[in-house]
Amino acid sequence: EIVMTQSPATLSVSPGERATLSCRASQSVSSDLAWYQQKPGQAPRLLIHSASTRATGIPDRFSGSGSGTEFTLTISSLQSEDFGFYYCQQYENWPWTFGQGTKVEIK
Amino acid sequence: QVQLQQSGPGLVKPSQTLSLTCAISGDSVSSNSAAWNWIRQSPSRGLEWLGRTYYRSQWYYDYADSVKSRITINPDTSKNQFSLQLKSVTPEDTAVYYCARGRVIAGHWGQGTLVTVSS
Repeated sequence: EIVMTQSPATLSVSPGERATLSCRASQSVSSDLAWYQQKPGQAPRLLIHSASTRATGIPDRFSGSGSGTEFTLTISSLQSEDFGFYYCQQYENWPWTFGQGTKVEIK
Repeated sequence: QVQLQQSGPGLVKPSQTLSLTCAISGDSVSSNSAAWNWIRQSPSRGLEWLGRTYYRSQWYYDYADSVKSRITINPDTSKNQFSLQLKSVTPEDTAVYYCARGRVIAGHWGQGTLVTVSS
């Protein structure tokens, strides 16, 4: 099973600032990587798939990059609605697996 | 617009079977392009993809090794829904359970069901 490791565990950011989240895979997943956002009491919401393709309706301040084992999610200018948890997920090998998440909180 | 509506009990006794149902609107469980998934989330295990079913001229099933001996996912074409059964549950199976649509990524999610395993 591919293990996904996210860093940092918590990221404190002021509104309007840039946020950079990292995700590392225990083996190559090519570009078969997705990012999700989750707010308390809600299901996760798909943000990015194929490492860098935004899902329908996702603002362009969200961008993804990377391939192989190293990936990054960047939020160019954090808005109040962007605070919450973020998870990466690989779909190169079954079972699909998630990282443990990064909490983005208000500084 | 695809919508998934979950139903099922929120409390299950240890050693019994957890059963949840996910009703689909806006798509078909027999779709040749979709897959239908169960994912759970707990503080101890994080997000865990349990299994999926999909139809490509026949039904296919994939299960995570962690639950493979205990899990069954069943499509119900007459009601356009699919279900999760997890046998012999323990307190470790306490989690929020989600159904989701997606072949390899979860683009649509149900509302989630908190299932507590306790006597």
